[in-house]
Amino acid sequence: DVKVTQSSRYLVKRTGEKVFLECVQDMDHENMFWYRQDPGLGLRLIYFSYDVKMKEKGDIPEGYSVSREKKERFSLILESASTNQTSMYLCASQSGAEGKKYFGPGTRLTVT
Amino acid sequence: AQSVTQPDIHITVSEGASLELRCNYSYGATPYLFWYVQSPGQGLQLLLKYFSGDTLVQGIKGFEAEFKRSQSSFNLRKPSVHWSDAAEYFCAVAAYNTDKLIFGTGTRLQVFP
Repeated sequence: DVKVTQSSRYLVKRTGEKVFLECVQDMDHENMFWYRQDPGLGLRLIYFSYDVKMKEKGDIPEGYSVSREKKERFSLILESASTNQTSMYLCASQSGAEGKKYFGPGTRLTVT
Repeated sequence: AQSVTQPDIHITVSEGASLELRCNYSYGATPYLFWYVQSPGQGLQLLLKYFSGDTLVQGIKGFEAEFKRSQSSFNLRKPSVHWSDAAEYFCAVAAYNTDKLIFGTGTRLQVFP
């Protein structure tokens, strides 16, 4: 079974802090994604990556950046956390040929 | 622009009753359509997907969905709901390829014994 793991299930950070959310997949998938999930808004795509060192902006990239130095790891970075970034963050990976996404359990981030 | 509408925010059914969750999409070309389920504390799991062919799609856990182009709908159904089906369900459409999904806002299903 494909496994997508996220470094933390819960995080509490202060406004202005730099925050790293890590995601690791174990199936050698090319594509990886970061979403945020908010009540009443569903999931919204922040960034995605088709390969190492490649990244593409999603629908709501403002305030975020990403890093993909290794194929299995995709990091989401909040350069200066703000309270409106309090949310559930979901990572996903996908084999390009198959088209099925596998999601991690999510990180619930609270910015105070 | 592509969009997905799930008109029901919250649905409550009795165990053993039938279920239909509604999903309407807006997309210019033939869409790729998906249903995901998110159980409490869990990541999203793919229930089923439609790419082409037979418009009635069978998925895991006894779910099925029917693609109706004339109604721009992809409703999820299950003939008999189990208490373990209580979760949040998301419909999604793929924009121009299968990589970038547009999600609906979700429907929370509550099941009473």
